[in-house]
Parts: sequence; structure tokens; C-alpha cells
Amino acid sequence: EVQLVESGGGLTQPGGSLRLSCAASGFNYSNYALNWVRQAPEKGLEWVSAISGSGGGTFYADSVKGRFTISRDNSKNTLYLQMNSLGAEDTAVYYCAKGRSSGSEAALNYWGQGTLVTVSS
Amino acid sequence: DIQMTQSPSSLSAFVGDRVTITCRASQGIRNYLAWYQQKPGKVPKLLIFAASTLQSGVPSRFSGSGSGTDFTLTISSLQPEDVATYFCQKYNSVPLSFGGGTKVEI
Repeated sequence: EVQLVESGGGLTQPGGSLRLSCAASGFNYSNYALNWVRQAPEKGLEWVSAISGSGGGTFYADSVKGRFTISRDNSKNTLYLQMNSLGAEDTAVYYCAKGRSSGSEAALNYWGQGTLVTVSS
Repeated sequence: DIQMTQSPSSLSAFVGDRVTITCRASQGIRNYLAWYQQKPGKVPKLLIFAASTLQSGVPSRFSGSGSGTDFTLTISSLQPEDVATYFCQKYNSVPLSFGGGTKVEI
């Protein structure tokens, strides 16, 4: 059974940093690209970032480019999102999501439960 | 970047009604279109991929159609458990943009 479990969310001040983690199991981890998708309170879904199975390819939404860094440790089956220079607009539930197929361009058929990031003074 | 526009943003219908939600891409995306259902307080769930292929376990009252720039999600007979917000997403290339969502109420 595929499982994705996010952690690392919490309250931080504007300008602060957080590192999210997503522990994965139940599939051949290094074969699949992974994504971060976020959802601000009472808002829609926003794709944030993706990383290829090998970790060699990384992709970002314009809204986070230069501030967020996606990475993965294939020896630990864990995905990360380092978030710097956080602002109120980054307040959201952050989901880790796996695609149906191995490439970065895939529909997302497994999602974690999400971790809440709140940026406030 | 390609923008995804959904309509309507919300709708109210009766149990048993046929419900249609549309999604338009600002450029052609072939059939690289997915639909998700998100019930209140829950995680998004994949309903349809490749514009018209039903994800395993999804009831057959859900269907999708379209190609290029115009897509449709149809619920053939609305059920109480279908109350949710529905999102389209293009995945032909990054960024994997979502539509703004359609809230379905009964």
C-alpha cells in the first residue's frame, strides 16, 4: 500500500524558514517523480514543485522559485521541501503527491494527509 | 505558462441531476488533463486522468471528455456523497497547473 506522510509544518514568522519532509513507502521510490502541492485556507490547489526520480530534475512554480528547494534522499525514501523567505502568502496545507507514472508529467494518484504551514508574526 | 479556467465556480443541484463542469486550457494540452474530487476536510482524490479514463474504484456515474483546450467532467446522476469541490489539472508539462475549482452542493 502506498503511503505518503508529511511532517515539518508549523508556525513561523515572516522571513523565516521551514523544512518539510515526506516519508514514502509501498512503491519503488526512486522510479517516481514526486510533487509538492499546497492549498491556502479556503482556497484552491496550487502546484508548488516537482522532482524527478533520480533527483536530477527539479521544477518550481514561479511563486516559489528562488525561495524553495525540493530534494529527495532515495536511500531514505524521503522527499524534502526547504522553504526560505516565507511570507503570509505561503500559509497553506502542503501535500506530498505521487504521479501515476514515473515522469514528472503525470496525474497525481496518491496524496499524503498534508502538513500545515502558518506564516504569521 | 498555460492557464486552466474552470466554470462554474459553484453550483447547486438536486439528487439525481446531471451535472457538468467545464475546464478550459489557454493552450492545447492534448488529453493531459486530470480531474480531482476534494470533499470537505479531506485530501484530493484522483477521479479521471487522460481526460476520460476513470481511475480505479471511481463510480461510473463520473465521466470525462475533451481534448486540446476544452474539457468536461460529468456526473450523470448526482448523489449526496458527491458534495465536494472538483479541480481540473493539466499535466502535459510543468507547471502542473490546477483550475480554480468548482464547488458542488445539493
